[in-house]
Amino acid sequence: GAVVSQHPSRVICKSGTSVKIECRSLDFQATTMFWYRQFPKKSLMLMATSNEGSKATYEQGVEKDKFLINHASLTLSTLTVTSAHPEDSSFYICSASLGAGETQYFGPGTRLLVL
Amino acid sequence: LAKTTQPISMDSYEGQEVNITCSHNNIATNDYITWYQQFPSQGPRFIIQGYKTKVTNEVASLFIPADRKSSTLSLPRVSLSDTAVYYCLVGPILTGGGNKLTFGTGTQLKVEL
Repeated sequence: GAVVSQHPSRVICKSGTSVKIECRSLDFQATTMFWYRQFPKKSLMLMATSNEGSKATYEQGVEKDKFLINHASLTLSTLTVTSAHPEDSSFYICSASLGAGETQYFGPGTRLLVL
Repeated sequence: LAKTTQPISMDSYEGQEVNITCSHNNIATNDYITWYQQFPSQGPRFIIQGYKTKVTNEVASLFIPADRKSSTLSLPRVSLSDTAVYYCLVGPILTGGGNKLTFGTGTQLKVEL
């Protein structure tokens, strides 16, 4: 299947700093990518839909000014957690698909720990 | 997206066949059924997708009755490495693709020796 990568795989930062997470589709172009958050022993929760060349669509309850999403190219979407706080500590996962009607493939996830 | 209901957890032994059933009473005509597997600290991995009857691939089979209100993921001869959370998702024909996915609680499968 198609490969989606994320970088970094794990990051520890101090409270108040910003953290950028990259999501790349390695062998295909993705017009749409998705960002999820997963807390321990919980299911994935969709945060936003990232559209190449346009603004992201955020789910209800997700602060767009805190979680900045940029989808500048067909193979790269970034999620920036601004002014991170301990409650933002979580597992962040992105996904992408080959196109309409195609399976969604997930990245390996990024573990964020805010001290 | 149609709501799904799965058992919270299941236990099995190596070499056995495991069947995980998902209920989706409100499935719509254009909804597909997709199953994902997730290991701890990893992103979900696509297992299988189907619309009706039976679908089989190299890792699993998916059984869907005529009314499509439920589906059963069948894992033949499980091993310890199949211990994971399994998610059943139901959504439009573009499940995956450009459509957002709504994950339920999933089923934690534990395989023992």
